[in-house]
Amino acid sequence: DSGVTQTPKHLITATGQRVTLRCSPRSGDLSVYWYQQSLDQGLQFLIQYYNGEERAKGNILERFSAQQFPDLHSELNLSSLELGDSALYFCASSPGIKYNEQFFGPGTRLTVL
Amino acid sequence: ILNVEQSPQSLHVQEGDSTNFTCSFPSSNFYALHWYRWETAKSPEALFVMTLNGDEKKKGRISATLNTKEGYSYLYIKGSQPEDSATYLCAFPETGRRALTFGSGTRLQVQP
Repeated sequence: DSGVTQTPKHLITATGQRVTLRCSPRSGDLSVYWYQQSLDQGLQFLIQYYNGEERAKGNILERFSAQQFPDLHSELNLSSLELGDSALYFCASSPGIKYNEQFFGPGTRLTVL
Repeated sequence: ILNVEQSPQSLHVQEGDSTNFTCSFPSSNFYALHWYRWETAKSPEALFVMTLNGDEKKKGRISATLNTKEGYSYLYIKGSQPEDSATYLCAFPETGRRALTFGSGTRLQVQP
């Protein structure tokens, strides 16, 4: 158990819908990262937050957004869902100190029908 | 966009065999190189973070070396066990960022 929690574990929804994925980092970690793993693809970085502020953006679609709250939990919002958004979404956290290892949550499996 | 390459893509070995795989990364602007183990139905778990040229790290039967000048890292597993079966990922932070670019991984299967 990495100490990072993600909810829900599974999510099944329809095209055009909007969903919110939630992540709670390890106690004391200030950085939160979101990654996507689609079928036959590696882990793709989406976005990073550090202590409430956006720090880096990867290949995140405009239909996706995220935020980190004062209690450091983070939410990833996915809207106007398409079939191709079906993937495993991981959240990871790190203390935020330079080049620390990242601790991954169990992931949310999103299925868009 | 960073190019982080891993080889081989997959590997089947017998229990007790020793094995190694490679991660290649851009040698300019090196910051750190991460290794993760990803077991099926679980989440990636950090093995090593390597920052210095010539670094060698060890955790049990698993060790890793780093050559930042030529841009590669090797991961070695001595005396592979079935529980070592997993995908081994290397990852490289892009300039000025802590977010990681992951390689596609080496999938290791250890047959009992």
